[in-house]
Amino acid sequence: SQQGEEDPQALSIQEGENATMNCSYKTSINNLQWYRQNSGRGLVHLILIRSNEREKHSGRLRVTLDTSKKSSSLLITASRAADTASYFCATDQYGNKLVFGAGTILRVKS
Amino acid sequence: DVKVTQSSRYLVKRTGEKVFLECVQDMDHENMFWYRQDPGLGLRLIYFSYDVKMKEKGDIPEGYSVSREKKERFSLILESASTNQTSMYLCASSFSLAPRSYEQYFGPGTRLTVT
Repeated sequence: SQQGEEDPQALSIQEGENATMNCSYKTSINNLQWYRQNSGRGLVHLILIRSNEREKHSGRLRVTLDTSKKSSSLLITASRAADTASYFCATDQYGNKLVFGAGTILRVKS
Repeated sequence: DVKVTQSSRYLVKRTGEKVFLECVQDMDHENMFWYRQDPGLGLRLIYFSYDVKMKEKGDIPEGYSVSREKKERFSLILESASTNQTSMYLCASSFSLAPRSYEQYFGPGTRLTVT
């Protein structure tokens, strides 16, 4: 079952611009995580935000979580060509496992 | 650094063959997972294991089985490969402190083609 739904499906920006991706989910969660996947590779964990947190930062990444709206956003500031990848949100439904969305494909043009 | 390795990056098998995909992690993680990834569908959980010899079905277990005889190794078995099992297979591992989930560490993936 798909829990996280990312929006947009694809995003193309110029280097230096900010990129914002959104994730919506349907049930209550323990935490929400964001992952990055470079083409043809495994996923890399970026950031985890717990259900009692509203915002979290890690370098150029900023994640927000609104549990009342069941949504999260990932902001990448000052994007670089190396940020080109697919980004996935994953929700922890209190079951020791994650449910992943279909992902947002980000292309950063140099 | 946590390392999760998968036995093959690319694999081509014939319909009806029995296929073994191996995954090994070096961080003493309790949990291990097998996903398949298809365009537009994201990652779908096939099976996961929370301890040696323990396993639970994920969302799409049909046509697959798993084996976890040692903590560091988790195998995915396609009993009789079919063309609709052509996909990217990703293995992952994580610590376990149920009911919370922690970050998962992924292997590089195995791209399986069944002809």
